Amino acid sequence: EAQVTQNPRYLITVTGKKLTVTCSQNMNHEYMSWYRQDPGLGLRQIYYSMNVEVTDKGDVPEGYKVSRKEKRNFPLILESPSPNQTSLYFCASSLSTLDHNEQFFGPGTRLTVL
Amino acid sequence: TQLLEQSPQFLSIQEGENLTVYCNSSSVFSSLQWYRQEPGEGPVLLVTVVTGGEVKKLKRLTFQFGDARKDSSLHITAAQPGDTGLYLCAGILNSGYSTLTFGKGTMLLVSP
Repeated sequence: EAQVTQNPRYLITVTGKKLTVTCSQNMNHEYMSWYRQDPGLGLRQIYYSMNVEVTDKGDVPEGYKVSRKEKRNFPLILESPSPNQTSLYFCASSLSTLDHNEQFFGPGTRLTVL
Repeated sequence: TQLLEQSPQFLSIQEGENLTVYCNSSSVFSSLQWYRQEPGEGPVLLVTVVTGGEVKKLKRLTFQFGDARKDSSLHITAAQPGDTGLYLCAGILNSGYSTLTFGKGTMLLVSP
């Protein structure tokens, strides 16, 4: 089944404790992206990657890192999480650049930083 | 400043009613997409509109892209409880641009 998977689905952590949220897609998509979704603010892009070893900042990249060493994986790294990073995170992938292409979203990761 | 403004923010209706959701901007988009997001899940694409004035139908859902490619609407005929969810519009500003800008969404609740 074609899908985007994220792990973990739920995470409660404390300020400053490094964490990684994994994202994997099995559709051989070139384009991958991370979003956060917050009440009243909608979906905002954190980082995106147009292909292996190519990453770029989205609208809200501060406090996050990403890497794209393999085509299928695009982990999101929070080196020193803070409470304002409490949010619902979505990974998404698309066949190529976004022109008219459907983005496939993962099921989301709900992160709470205490 | 929100690039894509969606209205209304919330809509609660009875089964069988019709409704329209709007997505407006002062910017021109090369294409615009509509997604539906159900609780506990990621957004799922409903439609992509590309040409100004384009109208697409998906069963009881009708999508329209404005002539100037600055706005779009989603009309649902005879809404059903299964239509309940968050409806998101998302646009690409320029062809080849790698950021999809989302509106804040319209939360639709259809009661039996």
